[in-house]
Amino acid sequence: QLQLQESGPGLVKVSETLSLTCTVSGVSISSSAYYWGWIRQPPGKGLEWIGSLYYSGGTYYNPSLKSRVTISVDSSTNQFSLTLRSVTAADTAVYYCARLSGKLGDSYRDAFHFWGQGTRVTASS
Amino acid sequence: DIQMTQSPSSLSTSVGDTVTITCQASRDISNFLSWYQERPGKAPKLLIYDVSKMETGVPSRFSGSGSGTSFTLTIHSLQPEDVATYHCQQYESLPYSFGQGTKLEIK
Repeated sequence: QLQLQESGPGLVKVSETLSLTCTVSGVSISSSAYYWGWIRQPPGKGLEWIGSLYYSGGTYYNPSLKSRVTISVDSSTNQFSLTLRSVTAADTAVYYCARLSGKLGDSYRDAFHFWGQGTRVTASS
Repeated sequence: DIQMTQSPSSLSTSVGDTVTITCQASRDISNFLSWYQERPGKAPKLLIYDVSKMETGVPSRFSGSGSGTSFTLTIHSLQPEDVATYHCQQYESLPYSFGQGTKLEIK
């Protein structure tokens, strides 16, 4: 059974770098044609897609965050990570990792069928 | 980028009622539309994808409809456990985008 678990610091200082990790269990992150993604929800606001990573290494980012974001995979630990640079208070949010169904091969045109429980991050000076 | 507009932003209704939430896309997204339920303190959960396909385990009182730019989530016979915020999402093109959410409360 697929499980995703986010981890990382709950507090990050403004102007510094946020690093979060999603640990995947139940499937090998690099051996199957899946899209993995990061989504966040600022307090009182809607969901925002940050970016996605295809199992073979291709990455796709929201243009609104692209200059500050990197998503990468570590096959040895079955994890993928989010790095967000030059954090501001506007980056305060609950961050989720998620995955598409995997039933559509290399198509990104799919909903997020699986979600982690989320991790709350506060950016503060 | 495609903008998704949900309405209403919140509603209060009674157990047993039928609830309708709408989602409007800024351009044609074909059938690439999903709905998520976010219960308080929980992660979003996929309810419906491809406009009207039910995710496994979702009660049959939930249904989705629409095409092109206008979509609807309907909840029949509302139950107390349906208290949540509901989000629509388009995946016709990147960047994926979500509606601002509809908060559903029970009177």
